[in-house]
Amino acid sequence: GAVVSQHPSWVICKSGTSVKIECRSLDFQATTMFWYRQFPKQSLMLMATSNEGSKATYEQGVEKDKFLINHASLTLSTLTVTSAHPEDSSFYICSAKSGLAETQYFGPGTRLLVL
Amino acid sequence: GENVEQHPSTLSVQEGDSAVIKCTYSDSASNYFPWYKQELGKRPQLIIDIRSNVGEKKDQRIAVTLNKTAKHFSLHITETQPEDSAVYFCAASRIPTFGRGTSLIVHP
Repeated sequence: GAVVSQHPSWVICKSGTSVKIECRSLDFQATTMFWYRQFPKQSLMLMATSNEGSKATYEQGVEKDKFLINHASLTLSTLTVTSAHPEDSSFYICSAKSGLAETQYFGPGTRLLVL
Repeated sequence: GENVEQHPSTLSVQEGDSAVIKCTYSDSASNYFPWYKQELGKRPQLIIDIRSNVGEKKDQRIAVTLNKTAKHFSLHITETQPEDSAVYFCAASRIPTFGRGTSLIVHP
């Protein structure tokens, strides 16, 4: 089946630093990737949708200057949390799909802790 | 935009019983409805999905039903086992929108 990886799986950083999270589709071309944030015991909240080669579409309330998304190739999307603060601590999960297919394949997630 | 409501938030059953989780959605243009199982600290795993041209789909102990007129769909798990314990999310996926999740606890 389709495999999506994320790196790193864990990151701890100081307040004010920037953190980059990578999402890779390993065995298929991901024309669309989604970035979600999940707080403990809550649902997945869609942050943004990115299509390869295009600017990401951000959901209402998500600051595009704080959460920079780049989808430069068909196998890689990155999320950069700029000037991270403790309230940005969360579980960030990406998913990917190919073409018009509806099924999303999720990465294993990245747990971010900002001190 | 799409709004997905999911009930119940917690469901506790005895091993061998059936479990039913219900979701409603608001966008009549949504035509794909997946269900995910998420174990603690792990990624959501697709367990079954249904498209709007189908009313019911079954895969072993898991089934999903869809009522497009009423805009609701349900997950049915029969003969529950302790390893079914997890959080289950429904989604309506023209723009991926998830329900709040149901924590299923299966007591041995």
